[in-house]
Order: sequence, then structure tokens, then C-alpha cells
Amino acid sequence: GNSVTQMEGPVTLSEEAFLTINCTYTATGYPSLFWYVQYPGEGLQLLLKATKADDKGSNKGFEATYRKETTSFHLEKGSVQVSDSAVYFCALSEGTSYGKLTFGQGTILTVHP
Amino acid sequence: DTEVTQTPKHLVMGMTNKKSLKCEQHMGHRAMYWYKQKAKKPPELMFVYSYEKLSINESVPSRFSPECPNSSLLNLHLHALQPEDSALYLCASSRTGTGNSPLHFGNGTRLTVT
Repeated sequence: GNSVTQMEGPVTLSEEAFLTINCTYTATGYPSLFWYVQYPGEGLQLLLKATKADDKGSNKGFEATYRKETTSFHLEKGSVQVSDSAVYFCALSEGTSYGKLTFGQGTILTVHP
Repeated sequence: DTEVTQTPKHLVMGMTNKKSLKCEQHMGHRAMYWYKQKAKKPPELMFVYSYEKLSINESVPSRFSPECPNSSLLNLHLHALQPEDSALYLCASSRTGTGNSPLHFGNGTRLTVT
């Protein structure tokens, strides 16, 4: 079956630091990959996506590249802000799955001023 | 602001009560979802409706009963719940329900069963 593994958290950074959150996946077919973010007290928001190998998704300074050879989709941001503090979920979805998402366990990010 | 609206935001119910959660979207999306999220965990899929028909039921207990009256509305009827059912219930929608169509989530209903 499908699975997603995210780096263990929580991650604590100072403002303007570089962020990497690792994500690797196992899938039987050719999945689409997503990063979702959940701010305190809210639902999940789509941060970025990639639908095929070598695609780069980007949004709000975050980016991730779909690497089929390493089955990875690591999230990066060059300079984090306090407002980026949230829980980040890596997820995949197969084409015939009615959009059923397989999530990683989530990584809590805290950014200090 | 989220484009998927869920009501109520908070709900407290006893184990003998009957209540309903409501979800609405006006983006023209044809697939709608119910997820359950426990604290510090990822969401878990409960149900998927595609073109108003139930497509996936992830072996959810019958005390949870979904309903999709039309393409914009999704309900979750609750009856005889247990305290362990306390969680954040998230509704989501997607344009086509295929794998590369991202989900748009509401802000959820925080349910407490006493």
C-alpha cells in the first residue's frame, strides 16, 4: 500500500533561518504529491503540489520538487517568518483513488523572533 | 477565508443525542469528503462522495451516517456516539475527485462527546 514518511518534529527555528522538512513516499503507481499546512484552530490549506516527476511546486516562498528516483518531496523555504509556525503535512494521492489522500504524520514548526 | 464552510464550529453532545454536521461549498466541485482528525495526528478519511454518490466508506461505524443532498452540500449525521469519537471533523471538496485534483478543506467542527 501507499505510505508517506515525514521527518520527526517538532522543528524550532529562528526567524530568517532556512527550512527543510523531509518527506519520502511509497506508492504503487504514479501519485500526485502535496504539502498541506494547518495553522492553529484551522483546517488544512493546500500549500503546493506536483503531479509528475521533476515538477516543482511553489507558493509563498515554499518550494518542493517531485523526485521519482529518490521517492522524495522535501519542503524548503529560504527564510522563515514567525507567521510560518504551523503543522505541515506531506501527502500523496493516486490517480484512480477518488482523491483519497495518504498523509505523513505531520511536522510541527515553531519560528521564534 | 476558506471556501468550504462548516457548521457548527463547536459541538458538545451526550452519548444519547442525535446531531448533524453540515458542510457547504460553492466552487462547483464534484467530490466531497469527511475526515476525522485527532489531536497531533493527520486527518483520517471517513467518506467520499463523487457526483453525489457515496464512493468510499472507510469502514466507519454506523453511528456516523453521511448524506449528500446535492452537489454543494454534505452532512454527517451523528447518533449514539462514544467519548472516543471526540475529534475535529473536517469536510473537504475537490474539483473532479481524481488524484491530481487537490482537496480544499473547511475549518472543521470540533466535536466533544460527553
